Amino acid sequence: EVQLVQSGAAVKKPGESLKISCMGSGYIFSTYWIGWVRQMPGKGLEWMAIIYPGDSHARYSPSFQGQVTISVDKSISTAYLQWRSLKASDTAMYYCVSPGRDGYNSPFDSWGQGTLVTVSS
Amino acid sequence: EIVLTQSPDTLSLSPGERATLSCRASQSFSNIYLAWYQQKPGQAPRLLLYAASSRATGIPDRFSGSGSGTDFTLTISRLEPEDFAVYYCQQYGSSPRTFGQGTRLEIK
Repeated sequence: EVQLVQSGAAVKKPGESLKISCMGSGYIFSTYWIGWVRQMPGKGLEWMAIIYPGDSHARYSPSFQGQVTISVDKSISTAYLQWRSLKASDTAMYYCVSPGRDGYNSPFDSWGQGTLVTVSS
Repeated sequence: EIVLTQSPDTLSLSPGERATLSCRASQSFSNIYLAWYQQKPGQAPRLLLYAASSRATGIPDRFSGSGSGTDFTLTISRLEPEDFAVYYCQQYGSSPRTFGQGTRLEIK
């Protein structure tokens, strides 16, 4: 069974950097795409980025390109989402997701528990 | 980018009733790339249907989906108390993946 376990909540100030994580287990990490979905308070779901751990090939939504960086560390089966300079508008719940064994053009059948990021001065 | 528009925004029904949720796309795509998710308060979304009409593992058969081209429908045949939640459609055939804005299904 695929499990995605995310890092805990983070409280940051505007301009600070942040890296949140998602550890995958129950499968061969390098073979399943893994990505991130944002949910702002009281709002809907937005797909941000996805990466293939096998070769670190990443794809970004145009809305998030240049704003965040997705990466992986295969040695510890972990994906990351990183900000260099946070803004108050980055306040949201971030979900780690995976389309599983069926590959890139598949729905997200596995979700992490979410990481709440709060950016406030 | 494919824009998905769900209707209605809120649907108020009673347990036992039938729910019909709509998802309309800004351009046509293959129905094999349409999914529906359910999200309850304080929880991560859960995959309900994929390929427009195939139920994900463990999803009861009161959930069904249909549609093609630009118009897709999620139907819940007889609402159970645990079905009251927010539902999202998503297309996963083109980049960027996009979600509808959600339909909130509330108890009448």
